[in-house]
Amino acid sequence: QVQLQESGPGLVKPSETLSLTCAVSGYSISSGYYWGWIRQPPGKGLEWIGSIYHSGSTYYNPSLKSRVTISVDTSKNQFSLKLSSVTAADTAVYYCARQVVGRQTDWGQGTLVTVSS
Amino acid sequence: SSELTQDPAVSVALGQTVRITCQGDSLRSYYASWYQQKPGQAPVLVIYGKNNRPSGIPDRFSGSSSGNTASLTITGAQAEDEADYYCNSRDSSGNHLDWVFGGGTKLTVL
Repeated sequence: QVQLQESGPGLVKPSETLSLTCAVSGYSISSGYYWGWIRQPPGKGLEWIGSIYHSGSTYYNPSLKSRVTISVDTSKNQFSLKLSSVTAADTAVYYCARQVVGRQTDWGQGTLVTVSS
Repeated sequence: SSELTQDPAVSVALGQTVRITCQGDSLRSYYASWYQQKPGQAPVLVIYGKNNRPSGIPDRFSGSSSGNTASLTITGAQAEDEADYYCNSRDSSGNHLDWVFGGGTKLTVL
């Protein structure tokens, strides 16, 4: 069974860069599928941030594209998110997920990132 | 980018049937997937494709689609079905590799 685990700082200062990593176990990222990041501000709905194919091709939410970078490290079986110039509006629970045709099949437990000085 | 629209809240009496809908132009091209999220937990996939349930999802959950509307039906709702439900599909307005989520529907089981 595929398991995903997010990790990274829980507190980021405004204007700095948020960095998170998603470690994958039970499946080799290099074998295929898309891998994505999704976030959920407190009390609000889900927002897709972006996705990466195992080959490294990336796709980003147009509303965040200028600030987002997603990368993959197949040697460590993990993928990462960087979101630059953060503000309080970026405070959210950040989830990583495996994306199989038409759906997000497996999710991490999520990690809360708070943007505050 | 496209949008998916859901009713913010729906209620159902215990044991009755409830339908949760999701509307959007992308649904004319792509099936919706549906996720159940309980407080403090990650979303869980409950329906995908034409009407497919992942292993472990009760058969009281079913999905359907017509035109620009996708529906999640719970037949014989149980207390444990009280949760937020989100629809999700590919975004047909862009490169078709982007994703879009509905705003979510809070289901209350009375």
